[in-house]
Amino acid sequence: SQTIHQWPATLVQPVGSPLSLECTVEGTSNPNLYWYRQAAGRGLQLLFYSVGIGQISSEVPQNLSASRPQDRQFILSSKKLLLSDSGFYLCAWRTGSGSEKLFFGSGTQLSVL
Amino acid sequence: KQEVTQIPAALSVPEGENLVLNCSFTDSAIYNLQWFRQDPGKGLTSLLLIQSSQREQTSGRLNASLDKSSGRSTLYIAASQPGDSATYLCAVRQKTSYDKVIFGPGTSLSVIP
Repeated sequence: SQTIHQWPATLVQPVGSPLSLECTVEGTSNPNLYWYRQAAGRGLQLLFYSVGIGQISSEVPQNLSASRPQDRQFILSSKKLLLSDSGFYLCAWRTGSGSEKLFFGSGTQLSVL
Repeated sequence: KQEVTQIPAALSVPEGENLVLNCSFTDSAIYNLQWFRQDPGKGLTSLLLIQSSQREQTSGRLNASLDKSSGRSTLYIAASQPGDSATYLCAVRQKTSYDKVIFGPGTSLSVIP
């Protein structure tokens, strides 16, 4: 069966520090991968999606970047965090073909202080 | 640009009541619509997925309908229970950009024992 792992679960970082959040998927190949952010009291905002290794599409101009170094690995990064980067970050995947369901990781709560 | 809205933003009902959550989207060119449940501080759990060619899907006490032409979906929960308390989100996958899934802001449901 397929599983998605996302870590860390919580993270407290000072303003200006770097960020690296990692997501991996097991039990499938060539998944479509997504990073979403959920700010307090707001809906999910699509940040990045990827249909293959090295293929990244950005939805919102921001202080963040994403990379996909391996087929089932998706990384969210920042060189210098801002206060506005605080939020709940969710990684998700779906199969690369057909109209399949979207599956989510357990999320990372990021607090930038 | 696709916009997804959900009404109401919050709902509180006594246990045992039947209830309806609403989701609206502005662009009817979608592949599918998916309903999710999110518990506080957790990731999203998929409840039901309706393909664009379908009218409804059922799972246990949940029934989701889709009227693509009017840009509406409803999630019906029968005989609500305290364990149903959570935030419910709908999301659409667009035909114009196949890999993008756009979420509504969610409805926060509280079922009072």
